[in-house]
Amino acid sequence: EAGVTQFPSHSVIEKGQTVTLRCDPISGHDNLYWYRRVMGKEIKFLLHFVKESKQDESGMPNNRFLAERTGGTYSTLKVQPAELEDSGVYFCASSQNRAQEAQYFGPGTRLLVL
Amino acid sequence: KQEVTQIPAALSVPEGENLVLNCSFTDSAIYNLQWFRQDPGKGLTSLLLIQSSQREQTSGRLNASLDKSSGRSTLYIAASQPGDSATYLCAVRRGTDKLIFGTGTRLQVFP
Repeated sequence: EAGVTQFPSHSVIEKGQTVTLRCDPISGHDNLYWYRRVMGKEIKFLLHFVKESKQDESGMPNNRFLAERTGGTYSTLKVQPAELEDSGVYFCASSQNRAQEAQYFGPGTRLLVL
Repeated sequence: KQEVTQIPAALSVPEGENLVLNCSFTDSAIYNLQWFRQDPGKGLTSLLLIQSSQREQTSGRLNASLDKSSGRSTLYIAASQPGDSATYLCAVRRGTDKLIFGTGTRLQVFP
């Protein structure tokens, strides 16, 4: 069974540009999560989808971040326009059921904003 | 507000030692606690998941315990090997499903 996949693995962009990150969860997992780790800090939650609906987006830092999950399959996270402080590693995770299940993480996308 | 702390921040040991990594959390009202390992430049690998009703979970040389009332979990690694070198993260889950992570323990096991 394929794990959570993320694309791209790395992205280097200039301040003010737009970047779109993609996550493909494990097949059949209704729950999809985005997290990020900025330099020197712990991994922090961004948002949670159940199928195509946003269940919790309390961790989204500001309105420059837009997440979508069309059709309840893969998800995209767009940063527009990117700022220097957006640099970090963006992780996606998925789980089958909710509170009782483990979350399985992808390899992350390393974003560097210059 | 839930806070998760991991001690020590870094650990370097010779191969063969038994290790204990600590994780503490401030709010005991959790659903479960998950231990991960992260290799440099890689994603997070789930090691063990302990439900709030459980006391411990075991997988191979790994054993994780949970004392919810005192807000603590420990990850015990038996007979450590160089391949165990990685960063170990604990994360707790409360009612909103999101995981709250600690800052991790960076482990190096040398031959």
